[in-house]
Amino acid sequence: AQTVTQSQPEMSVQEAETVTLSCTYDTSESDYYLFWYKQPPSRQMILVIRQEAYKQQNATENRFSVNFQKAAKSFSLKISDSQLGDAAMYFCAYRSANYGGSQGNLIFGKGTKLSVKP
Amino acid sequence: DSGVTQTPKHLITATGQRVTLRCSPRSGDLSVYWYQQSLDQGLQFLIQYYNGEERAKGNILERFSAQQFPDLHSELNLSSLELGDSALYFCASSVAMGLAGGLWPTDTQYFGPGTRLTVL
Repeated sequence: AQTVTQSQPEMSVQEAETVTLSCTYDTSESDYYLFWYKQPPSRQMILVIRQEAYKQQNATENRFSVNFQKAAKSFSLKISDSQLGDAAMYFCAYRSANYGGSQGNLIFGKGTKLSVKP
Repeated sequence: DSGVTQTPKHLITATGQRVTLRCSPRSGDLSVYWYQQSLDQGLQFLIQYYNGEERAKGNILERFSAQQFPDLHSELNLSSLELGDSALYFCASSVAMGLAGGLWPTDTQYFGPGTRLTVL
């Protein structure tokens, strides 16, 4: 079974600085998707960024980028120019690209709580 | 706004009772997923429906059941409620397109705002 591990329960960053959140995963599959979701105090789950495992190029969305290391099974999220609104729980998630059984669902890490200091 | 709606936003009930949570997916999305978020278990997948049919089950208790209706909205039924069932219940939707007889989840899952269930 696939697992997702976020080893940093809490992180803190100064406003306008850069922070990197770590995520590792375990899978025997070669094709899959990886996601970062943000959960602010409102509890809404908001998609931040996604990465297809077959793509070597790291995904980027404005101030958010990932460092995807397939061989190392690592998927870190970098937030540049941190803003107060970035304060939230961040969840790393895995989903198989092979459909069948329970493989369409997301498997989440435990989350990292990010605080942004003004 | 993700386009996924869930009702009610909050639900407070007593042990032993039964409740129904409702989800309307994004327009055009055929797949609906239910997740439970609790402090001790984190975010866990419960069940998935595609176009009215159950597709996958996760860590869903026998006291819980779900269905997806012809208009694609879904309901999650929780019965014989226990204190430990208190949690945030999310619905998510995505599109799964048929391909040569198979089904492929080709899109990202978009989450509704959740229903916070409190069992007293």
